[in-house]
Amino acid sequence: GENVEQHPSTLSVQEGDSAVIKCTYSDSASNYFPWYKQELGKRPQLIIDIRSNVGEKKDQRIAVTLNKTAKHFSLHITETQPEDSAVYFCAATTGAGGTSYGKLTFGQGTILTVHP
Amino acid sequence: DGGITQSPKYLFRKEGQNVTLSCEQNLNHDAMYWYRQDPGQGLRLIYYSQIVNDFQKGDIAEGYSVSREKKESFPLTVTSAQKNPTAFYLCAIWVAQGAEAFFGQGTRLTVV
Repeated sequence: GENVEQHPSTLSVQEGDSAVIKCTYSDSASNYFPWYKQELGKRPQLIIDIRSNVGEKKDQRIAVTLNKTAKHFSLHITETQPEDSAVYFCAATTGAGGTSYGKLTFGQGTILTVHP
Repeated sequence: DGGITQSPKYLFRKEGQNVTLSCEQNLNHDAMYWYRQDPGQGLRLIYYSQIVNDFQKGDIAEGYSVSREKKESFPLTVTSAQKNPTAFYLCAIWVAQGAEAFFGQGTRLTVV
């Protein structure tokens, strides 16, 4: 089955700096890679995703890159703000893009702390 | 709640007891999932169901059971066979059109 590794487990930055979180996956058939943000005691919420036919996607201060050959993808947050502080999870699945449903395999999570 | 409701929010169980966590959705989606979250381990899939009266084991199904008698409901039972049940349990629906897993608010289960 799929295995997703996420690094680093904790990340501390100063407000305004950039933050990068990296994930690797094992199943070359995976074709959908979402990133979730989870605040303390709350549910994970999707912040950005990328499909295997795209190399990069950007949404305001957040961007995700995908390298299918190396089987890794990364989350980039620019101009970080204290409200970006949360746990971030990457995930992978083969279920997107058609009539098939998928099950997500998650990375272990990264605790991001943005200091004012 | 975004159309998916988990209850209760907090649940306490004595050792040796079975307990059932509720997950209800009113969005008419076929696929529903149960995940378990432990500190530092991310989310792990327990069971999932793609249609009524059918479900499959995920990566950590031992000690759990589910049913899918109605499209809108996917309850999870934590049995006494689950040796370490204290965790945060999240139910999710798969929104096929947007290809997004949308999570409920979660149930925090504590064994006392």
